[in-house]
Amino acid sequence: KNQVEQSPQSLIILEGKNCTLQCNYTVSPFSNLRWYKQDTGRGPVSLTIMTFSENTKSNGRYTATLDADTKQSSLHITASQLSDSASYICVVSDRGSTLGRLYFGRGTQLTVWP
Amino acid sequence: EADIYQTPRYLVIGTGKKITLECSQTMGHDKMYWYQQDPGMELHLIHYSYGVNSTEKGDLSSESTVSRIRTEHFPLTLESARPSHTSQYLCASSPSHRNTGELFFGEGSRLTVL
Repeated sequence: KNQVEQSPQSLIILEGKNCTLQCNYTVSPFSNLRWYKQDTGRGPVSLTIMTFSENTKSNGRYTATLDADTKQSSLHITASQLSDSASYICVVSDRGSTLGRLYFGRGTQLTVWP
Repeated sequence: EADIYQTPRYLVIGTGKKITLECSQTMGHDKMYWYQQDPGMELHLIHYSYGVNSTEKGDLSSESTVSRIRTEHFPLTLESARPSHTSQYLCASSPSHRNTGELFFGEGSRLTVL
């Protein structure tokens, strides 16, 4: 069964600190993996996409990594800000259909305290 | 900034009422989706559409129905709402020419059925 597991479920950090969120998946065949940020009461917004051949990709203070062999991805947030408080969702797409079926994790709820 | 809009943002209604959640996008995307999201849980696909006059049920069984008469409009209807329908409903769209799994989400409609 294709699954996407995220950890931790929730995380509290102080402003200015770094943190790393984890995503493990069993989706096969793999097409790509996206990290989304969902602010409270809003829809998710894509932060970054990782394809099979990519190991690391940065988007400002966000850095995503992908290990296709172990089927693990991480999202590292540097110098956290209050506005980083949100749910971060890992979404994996397969290559099994034209639609590119999407598998969602349950998200990591990040809270940044001042 | 994604150009996809959902109305109403919040709705509280009584059991047995008929409701329609509106979703419109101005990006010309062929693919549109409805997801259901409950706290701490992954997004579940309830309906999707590849284009005008094309609608399909998603993974999660739902008593709702959808229509796609115009490219930009993808409304979801519940003929008789029940408390079990209380949830957050997210509409999304994606372009057909790119199968990268990127979804553009609306801000959601939070439905409470009393």
